[in-house]
Amino acid sequence: SQTIHQWPATLVQPVGSPLSLECTVEGTSNPNLYWYRQAAGRGLQLLFYSVGIGQISSEVPQNLSASRPQDRQFILSSKKLLLSDSGFYLCAWSLRAGGTDTQYFGPGTRLTVL
Amino acid sequence: AQSVTQPDIHITVSEGASLELRCNYSYGATPYLFWYVQSPGQGLQLLLKYFSGDTLVQGIKGFEAEFKRSQSSFNLRKPSVHWSDAAEYFCAVQTGANNLFFGTGTRLTVIP
Repeated sequence: SQTIHQWPATLVQPVGSPLSLECTVEGTSNPNLYWYRQAAGRGLQLLFYSVGIGQISSEVPQNLSASRPQDRQFILSSKKLLLSDSGFYLCAWSLRAGGTDTQYFGPGTRLTVL
Repeated sequence: AQSVTQPDIHITVSEGASLELRCNYSYGATPYLFWYVQSPGQGLQLLLKYFSGDTLVQGIKGFEAEFKRSQSSFNLRKPSVHWSDAAEYFCAVQTGANNLFFGTGTRLTVIP
């Protein structure tokens, strides 16, 4: 069966510091991968998605970036964090099947920028 | 443009009572619809999904949802709520590959 991991689980960082969040998927090959952000009291906002190694699509312009160095690894980064980057970051994976796909989510990373 | 509306921000029900969480969507074609549940501090767990066929969909944990095209709705129901159902519930609509739009969620409180 497939599992998805995210780390760290929680992170407190000062404004202006760099960021690296990691997501890995086990038990599947060539998944679509996604990064979402969930701000307090709001729904989920898609930040990036990837359909393959080195292929990244950005949905929202911001100071964050994403990379996919390996088939089942997805990394969210920032060179300089802003206060507004605080939130709950969720990684998800899916597989295309018959023109549709279902996204499955990881446990999330709680980021607090002070 | 596509959108998902969950009109109830917070719902409180007694344990053992029935539950209905509302979801309305806006999309020009037949959507793929999902309900996810999020426990505090956790990721999202898929409850059920509708792609086609029978408009009444059964999910995990005793939940079901009914797709009503005429009302653009996909309401989630459970006949008898358990204390462990307290969580936040998200409705989502998929309009194409990689395009999953979420509502703002409904927080469910269960009182004994």
